[in-house]
Amino acid sequence: DTGVSQDPRHKITKRGQNVTFRCDPISEHNRLYWYRQTLGQGPEFLTYFQNEAQLEKSRLLSDRFSAERPKGSFSTLEIQRTEQGDSAMYLCASRRMDGNNEKLFFGSGTQLSVL
Amino acid sequence: SQQGEEDPQALSIQEGENATMNCSYKTSINNLQWYRQNSGRGLVHLILIRSNEREKHSGRLRVTLDTSKKSSSLLITASRAADTASYFCATDEGTYKYIFGTGTRLKVLA
Repeated sequence: DTGVSQDPRHKITKRGQNVTFRCDPISEHNRLYWYRQTLGQGPEFLTYFQNEAQLEKSRLLSDRFSAERPKGSFSTLEIQRTEQGDSAMYLCASRRMDGNNEKLFFGSGTQLSVL
Repeated sequence: SQQGEEDPQALSIQEGENATMNCSYKTSINNLQWYRQNSGRGLVHLILIRSNEREKHSGRLRVTLDTSKKSSSLLITASRAADTASYFCATDEGTYKYIFGTGTRLKVLA
């Protein structure tokens, strides 16, 4: 257990529905990242936050995706009008924002299946 | 987008043998990290090497970095069945964004 928790672990939804995932990072970690991973591929960067500010969002991320981190604590990732191509593992990671601690702590992920 | 390419894509070895996997990347970096992922789980950090370092050791792991060739290698010595996993390199692109490679799937046969 890395200390980063994600909920739910699995989500099955029908095409066109909206889904929301939650990530609770390690409490003292300022930076929070979202990644997407499909079978046999490496994690693909989606977005990251420093405290409550969303500092970067991947150009590959369509406007159906939105992420928030209110109060700089937990984060949510919402996908609107899901498509079958959204089926993937969604991973959250966090880290402290000091110079010598660059390693990321990952949650176990949310596996999304869009039918 | 993925910055790194791991080589080989898959590797199968006998327990006790050494496993070597390579990573190539595209842009300048501050550091390069290696992560391990067991099937269906999140990633776990293994080791970090900074751009001004050439080699680093941690237990049975040895990492090298060649910034002139934009490449790194991860060596696992005396492999065990429990080392079976996917291994990914990640680079920071000189920012706080971490980009992962495509991974090497290692299978260690008992």
